[in-house]
Order: sequence, then C-alpha cells, then structure tokens
Amino acid sequence: EIVMTQSPATLSVSPGERATLSCRASQSVSSNLAWYQQKPGQAPRLLIYGASTRATGIPARFSGSGSGTEFTLTISSLQSEDFAVYYCQQYNNWPRIFTFGPGTKVDIK
Amino acid sequence: QVQLQESGPGLVKPSETLSLTCTVSGYSISSGYYWGWIRQPPGKGLEWIGSIYHSGSTYYNPSLKSRVTISVDTSKNQFSLKLSSVTAADTAVYYCAREGEDYSNLYYYYYMDVWGKGTTVTVSS
Repeated sequence: EIVMTQSPATLSVSPGERATLSCRASQSVSSNLAWYQQKPGQAPRLLIYGASTRATGIPARFSGSGSGTEFTLTISSLQSEDFAVYYCQQYNNWPRIFTFGPGTKVDIK
Repeated sequence: QVQLQESGPGLVKPSETLSLTCTVSGYSISSGYYWGWIRQPPGKGLEWIGSIYHSGSTYYNPSLKSRVTISVDTSKNQFSLKLSSVTAADTAVYYCAREGEDYSNLYYYYYMDVWGKGTTVTVSS
C-alpha cells in the first residue's frame, strides 16, 4: 500500500508571496501524481495531473514538479482566492487505486 | 458541460446499508471513462471508495472492499454506491466524480476532473 504524506500541515502566507507545498509517496509513483484545491463547503478542483500538467482553466501561477517519491506544488504569487486546502493524490495502475495525501491548509499570514 | 449530481438519504441507521446515486448530465457514461466515489469525513481528508466503467468493471479501495458495491445504469446515465454495515465512522460528505485520463509520453495519467457538489450522509440511530 502506497502512503502519501504532505508538508507542512498548515502554511501561512501573505498575499502576493510564493507558496511551496510538498508531497511525498512511500514508494515510487512515477509521475502519477495530481493536485487538488478545496475550499470550505466545495468539492475539490483538479489543478495538476501527471505531476506537472495544469488542468484546463488553471492559472499559470500554479505549477507542479517532481517524480518518483517527491513532489512539489508551487503557487508563484498567492491571490486571495488561493487560500484553501490542497491535496495530492497518487494513482496506482494495477490494481486501480487512488490514494490522497492528508492535505496542506494554506491560510493568510 | 459535464455535470454530476449525488442523491440519496442524508441519514442512515447503524448496521444498515448506505445507498447513493450519481446522475451524469452532458456526457454519456457509455462513451467511456471510469466513474468514481470519494468521501470526506467531517474535518478530515479525502478517501477514494471505488470506481466503475460502463461495462461494469469495478475497482474498490481495499480497506472498504468487503462492504462496497458500485453499479452502473447506462439507460439512466447513472451510477450508484452501496455501503453495507455502516457505523458512525462512515459519516461523511460523499462525492461522485469522473476519472479523467490523458495519454502523454507513452503513458496514461488518471485523475478526477469533474466532481459533483457532494452529499452529506450521517450515520446515527
């Protein structure tokens, strides 16, 4: 079973600053890593898949990197609407299983 | 525009079976993709429950596999979740989602690209 961890649990950032979120897998997931944003009372929204490909309509300030076991989501200049919880998720090809990390909350400093 | 909508009872008694349906609009389930269920207990993170293809092929989270059944009704463009022997630990917001895919660099990538708004299910007597 692949276990996903995320750090930090909470990240306090001022608007306009850069935010760097980390995700680690207990074993290699290649580039099968996605990132989601969730705001209170809303469903998650897909940001990044394939570790670094932005989903349709996602602003360029969101970028993903990494492969294997270490991944990073970077928000280059935080906007007010970016304060939310961010989850990473890995996909295992066989058997087909999705596993989410515990999340990182990005709040206003 | 693809949209998903969950429906079902908001309150289920302990030991009974939780039943939810996801209705898909703007896309025919028979055209492809896997369709899945994800849940989120109050104040906690996301847990993938399982997914189904229009052919009926299913995959389940091993931790829930003994209690989960996901089925599809292509004539109604719906798929459904049944979770048996529920306890308070099954109280959560339940989401349905499309499991999208992209082929790049000789590799398939999978992710949840369209989500329903979620429905709250409380397990209590």
